Amino acid sequence: EAGVAQSPRYKIIEKRQSVAFWCNPISGHATLYWYQQILGQGPKLLIQFQNNGVVDDSQLPKDRFSAERLKGVDSTLKIQPAKLEDSAVYLCASSWGLAGGLNTGELFFGEGSRLTVL
Amino acid sequence: SQELEQSPQSLIVQEGKNLTINCTSSKTLYGLYWYKQKYGEGLIFLMMLQKGGEEKSHEKITAKLDEKKQQSSLHITASQPSHAGIYLCGADTSTGNQFYFGTGTSLTVIP
Repeated sequence: EAGVAQSPRYKIIEKRQSVAFWCNPISGHATLYWYQQILGQGPKLLIQFQNNGVVDDSQLPKDRFSAERLKGVDSTLKIQPAKLEDSAVYLCASSWGLAGGLNTGELFFGEGSRLTVL
Repeated sequence: SQELEQSPQSLIVQEGKNLTINCTSSKTLYGLYWYKQKYGEGLIFLMMLQKGGEEKSHEKITAKLDEKKQQSSLHITASQPSHAGIYLCGADTSTGNQFYFGTGTSLTVIP
């Protein structure tokens, strides 16, 4: 089966510019996650969707970050305007169900989108 | 907020040596997952533990979850260069449906 697809793999922008990342989860997966991973740290959950609804976005910097999952399938994560500290790998993951639910299983990850802000 | 602490932060071992990585939560875990990440790549699922006292093995890697379901250990026997990477524990916490990751352990295996 096809895995989680992310694009672009790499992006270099200057501060105050905007950027968008796209994620296509595994077909049939209800839950989609966006994580930010700064070099040397574990992934930090930015936002979690269940179908097209938001389960948790408590760690999403809403003044500059936005995410949507229209139709409960693909998702986009946008940063506008970018800051130097946004340089990181943005990981998208999907799973069958909600964490803590009966059908959580494992999370399947894409290869990530590496952002460098100059 | 970070709810999972891993130790050690980094580890350098000689090939053939055994090693252990720990993951500790301040809250009861519904499920504990171990992932491995190579630099510049996505995360690869290793194992999932859900029951207190559960232990699972895959090849030379063994993971355990304590009876209280607040601590897990990952043990690698006779380490090889292919084991090198970043090991991450992840968990469903009792505070809701969010899935969080630990701080990560960087493993280097010297041939």
